[in-house]
Amino acid sequence: DAGITQSPRHKVTETGTPVTLRCHQTENHRYMYWYRQDPGHGLRLIHYSYGVKDTDKGEVSDGYSVSRSKTEDFLLTLESATSSQTSVYFCAITDSIGAYEQYFGPGTRLTVT
Amino acid sequence: KNQVEQSPQSLIILEGKNCTLQCNYTVSPFSNLRWYKQDTGRGPVSLTIMTFSENTKSNGRYTATLDADTKQSSLHITASQLSDSASYICVVSGGLTGGGNKLTFGTGTQLKVEL
Repeated sequence: DAGITQSPRHKVTETGTPVTLRCHQTENHRYMYWYRQDPGHGLRLIHYSYGVKDTDKGEVSDGYSVSRSKTEDFLLTLESATSSQTSVYFCAITDSIGAYEQYFGPGTRLTVT
Repeated sequence: KNQVEQSPQSLIILEGKNCTLQCNYTVSPFSNLRWYKQDTGRGPVSLTIMTFSENTKSNGRYTATLDADTKQSSLHITASQLSDSASYICVVSGGLTGGGNKLTFGTGTQLKVEL
């Protein structure tokens, strides 16, 4: 998984609770991404980062926030989890804006009850 | 709206047989097309990446083709193995944004290889 770890790998939480997922990379890549994967949908981009403290929204950003205080860490926060946020979340990295290759982490399965 | 459609949704083949997966896209502008393999419980892993000017690319037993005129791609798997059982995802890049390549993902073809 190209030097990318995600934690936790599995989490069950209740509606209304805050949740933070962590993506950690050892590749020193500049760009980091959070996707969600749901049955019947392709992976969809939630947020991305193009540098430390530089982030922007993807196509399904409502209900999510992100932070990147170090090159190696990209955090995804669900301020108040809802059942519609039950999903598998993937982090991805790439080293330059024009690079074709995106490397994906192992994923975090989140269940909101 | 940019879309990537894959067929079939699922496929079962016998070990040693060949198979072909299809991808049709309506992404514009077009930059490149990728095929990923995703094992159960793992993240996607890149198999091939093709730009507009490439119409064939191989990676071992995997061969991808691209027809940019008809906006179709295929992934051919030769002499399938049990380890080929996975979801195969077609991804099309529609150019660059501030975050890099703007990607549209297909929903994948679930392949099962049986003895």
